[in-house]
Amino acid sequence: GAGVSQSPRYKVAKRGQDVALRCDPISGHVSLFWYQQALGQGPEFLTYFQNEAQLDKSGLPSDRFFAERPEGSVSTLKIQRTQQEDSAVYLCASSLDGLAGASSYNEQFFGPGTRLTVL
Amino acid sequence: KNEVEQSPQNLTAQEGEFITINCSYSVGISALHWLQQHPGGGIVSLFMLSSGKKKHGRLIATINIQEKHSSLHITASHPRDSAVYICAVESDSNYQLIWGAGTKLIIKP
Repeated sequence: GAGVSQSPRYKVAKRGQDVALRCDPISGHVSLFWYQQALGQGPEFLTYFQNEAQLDKSGLPSDRFFAERPEGSVSTLKIQRTQQEDSAVYLCASSLDGLAGASSYNEQFFGPGTRLTVL
Repeated sequence: KNEVEQSPQNLTAQEGEFITINCSYSVGISALHWLQQHPGGGIVSLFMLSSGKKKHGRLIATINIQEKHSSLHITASHPRDSAVYICAVESDSNYQLIWGAGTKLIIKP
C-alpha cells in the first residue's frame, strides 16, 4: 500500500489480557516509531527502530510493553496483562531514515492508529 | 513549562474565515512539523519545515527560527478543516518528536 497501515483499528480487551498491535510501514522506510496517545493528550514516544534494531525503548511505560521488528519491516507492539491505564490510541510512524536533521528523508508518515480500550 | 506551546487550545470560527494557529518552542530544533488529527485518531503530516514558509493549497506554514515561533494559517476555512492541529518539533539532539498539546479547530457552516 501507499501509506502506513495499522491493525486492528479498534481493540477491546479485558483487563489482564495480552494484546498485539501491528504496524506495516511504508515499503523501504528504515525508521519506525511507536507513540501512545491518551485521550485528550498529545502523543508520547514509546520506542524507535532502525531496520530491525530497537535503538530506543525509553518511552515504554512498563515491562509489560514489548515491541519487535524482526525483519526490519512489519512491527508488532505487544502489551501483556493489559491494565485500564493502557487504554489509548497507539500510533505508528515510519520515515525513510530517522537521523536528526531537516531533510525530507526523515519526515514521519503516520498510520491511522489502533484505539485500545481495556475494560 | 512545556517545551512546545500551542495557542489557542480551542478555536471556533465561521466558514470562510482566515485561521491562525501559533506554536512556540523552547528547545533547539532541526525541524518543525504541523500535523492534522481527525476524530478517530489518524494523523496526517501537513508540513515539515526548518526555515521560511511553505504553502500547500489553502494551508500556509511559517517559521521564525530566531524567535522560536511558527504559525499555521488556513485561508477560506471550510467545515472539513475541523480537526485537531498539532505542532511537533524535532530536537536537534535526537530524532524524537516533542509534541504540542494541539489546537482543536471547529469551522461552522
